[in-house]
Amino acid sequence: QLQLQESGPGLVKPSETLSLTCTVSGGSISRYYRGWIRQPPGKGLEWIGSIYYSGSTYYNPSLKSRVTISVDTSKNQFSLRLSSLTAADTAVYYCARQGATVVSSFDYWGQGTLVTVSS
Amino acid sequence: QSVLTQPPSTSGTPGQRVTISCSGSSSNIGSNTVNWYQQLPGTAPKLLIYSNNQRPSGVPDRFSGSKSGTSASLAISGLQSEDEADYYCAAWDDSLNGRWVFGGGTKLTVL
Repeated sequence: QLQLQESGPGLVKPSETLSLTCTVSGGSISRYYRGWIRQPPGKGLEWIGSIYYSGSTYYNPSLKSRVTISVDTSKNQFSLRLSSLTAADTAVYYCARQGATVVSSFDYWGQGTLVTVSS
Repeated sequence: QSVLTQPPSTSGTPGQRVTISCSGSSSNIGSNTVNWYQQLPGTAPKLLIYSNNQRPSGVPDRFSGSKSGTSASLAISGLQSEDEADYYCAAWDDSLNGRWVFGGGTKLTVL
């Protein structure tokens, strides 16, 4: 059974950069897109961006200037960096697998990790 | 303000049929397929319906999806207490070089 697991700091200071890693186990997602989605406490889902194994990326235009998503296929991992953090970036961050195209649904999700932006 | 519009809440009694609507535009639902996600309290979202009306393996056939023009609907028949959750629609949007957009979510309460 494919499993995804997010890892990274639970608390980050304002203006700093958040780094999260998603580790995939139970199978390879080498020729799939994979993405990051976040959910502020008590609110809805927001797509952050998606990446293909080749490194091709799509980013949410509202976050594009602050986001970098990268992939390490040798480790079956992909990562998120979000810079210039503010309290509005406080959210549960999910990583998820998609299909072979960026317009494919998110079919496997990690459990999510809560990131709080506070001094 | 979400790009896709869903009712904030709905409710039903066990055994009843409920529907949740999702309204979009020509750049998202009008030109791409719709997916639905179920989020049980305190858990990650789970894919419920993809490509408008397809159920992943393991999803009961009580759940069904449809799309017409720039709107989509999720129907749940034979409502059960374990269906109480938040439901989100999602679609790829062709504007702004492409992006995923979600509905604001609908909280389903089983009375």
